Amino acid sequence: DADVTQTPRNRITKTGKRIMLECSQTKGHDRMYWYRQDPGLGLRLIYYSFDVKDINKGEISDGYSVSRQAQAKFSLSLESAIPNQTALYFCATSLAGVQGEQFFGPGTRLTVL
Amino acid sequence: GIQVEQSPPDLILQEGANSTLRCNFSDSVNNLQWFHQNPWGQLINLFYIPSGTKQNGRLSATTVATERYSLLYISSSQTTDSGVYFCAVSYNFNKFYFGSGTKLNVKP
Repeated sequence: DADVTQTPRNRITKTGKRIMLECSQTKGHDRMYWYRQDPGLGLRLIYYSFDVKDINKGEISDGYSVSRQAQAKFSLSLESAIPNQTALYFCATSLAGVQGEQFFGPGTRLTVL
Repeated sequence: GIQVEQSPPDLILQEGANSTLRCNFSDSVNNLQWFHQNPWGQLINLFYIPSGTKQNGRLSATTVATERYSLLYISSSQTTDSGVYFCAVSYNFNKFYFGSGTKLNVKP
């Protein structure tokens, strides 16, 4: 089984709807991240969490919220989806400190109509 | 934040050719990774290389942190090497910053 899983893998929704993307990991990492990728661009950080009680905003947090339910679970919510949130969303995990290599989930392709 | 520039933005190769991809960054880093994004969108870890040189089969990477750049070498390219290659950096293992990628197309 994959170490970092994301659900759903694909989602089509309408403007104004609330949507949640979920991420689970079995790597035992403390740190988890949410990124979005727009066509032809690199990944941009939305939110990151260094442990269950530590959540931080990234570059582009407006319009998003997160919840770290457990060490292994980190969910991303779009409270009221808008078309320019159509993107590929990735979850990632890492250890803290000098072993901070990131590992990514398979991504969720979100379309907001 | 740290600015990350990758070059070239696009690269077309004939199968069997060699290539060098470059990643420049604007500030000190102590974490640098190279990823390959395949045509299905999956991000595959290639190297975790904050400094020094590493090799894995036909791929190798070198990071010169003091001069703020990293190079990814692909030798004897294959069509399966096609996709986008990303460099990502961070300082003190906090936020990671990605470049815009190099899109590689290897033709048979």
